[in-house]
Amino acid sequence: GAGVSQSPSNKVTEKGKDVELRCDPISGHTALYWYRQSLGQGLEFLIYFQGNSAPDKSGLPSDRFSAERTGGSVSTLTIQRTQQEDSAVYLCASSTALTGGYTFGSGTRLTVV
Amino acid sequence: AQSVTQLDSQVPVFEEAPVELRCNYSSSVSVYLFWYVQYPNQGLQLLLKYLSGSTLVESINGFEAEFNKSQTSFHLRKPSVHISDTAEYFCAVMNTNAGKSTFGDGTTLTVKP
Repeated sequence: GAGVSQSPSNKVTEKGKDVELRCDPISGHTALYWYRQSLGQGLEFLIYFQGNSAPDKSGLPSDRFSAERTGGSVSTLTIQRTQQEDSAVYLCASSTALTGGYTFGSGTRLTVV
Repeated sequence: AQSVTQLDSQVPVFEEAPVELRCNYSSSVSVYLFWYVQYPNQGLQLLLKYLSGSTLVESINGFEAEFNKSQTSFHLRKPSVHISDTAEYFCAVMNTNAGKSTFGDGTTLTVKP
């Protein structure tokens, strides 16, 4: 596609429920990243996929968070047993190479009530 | 490990005045440097980047940033700002051997008439 597409754009969920956030990167971009942005704060790295290499999961805050990337394209970030502190904007980005800079999606605003 | 410090969280300035948004980084290895911009109600987009070569890099809308290795800085400047430059600006650093970036907490630039 023309840009990085994320869905849903907004998600309100009850504490304890599981949620899935989807990212469709730019076609041909080999690298895909997930970050989250809490109110008034910077971007917190979560996970990074590069081609067929094992993902860098070093930023996932707990084992309730997981992500996969199928066929080197679409990625899904799953949060199990959501907590109120998980409320944030979840951003996906993709890039063509290590030096390309990121193209970001519009984000998914997750609210846990 | 690497880190980014954006020294000013808020910068108010009058239209047509010059502005500097400060960014310092810390890293034990070589890095690439980026500035991203987030206009109100829009997603993050790449503004400019330093990869190698000339230490002064420019964007299409009149911003420039200079990589200063000795001071580990990458300050963003514009000689004359417009109302439309009102946005949040994020500085980011990427290890040249790894694809993930570390972001600063952002600087909100508000241009007043």
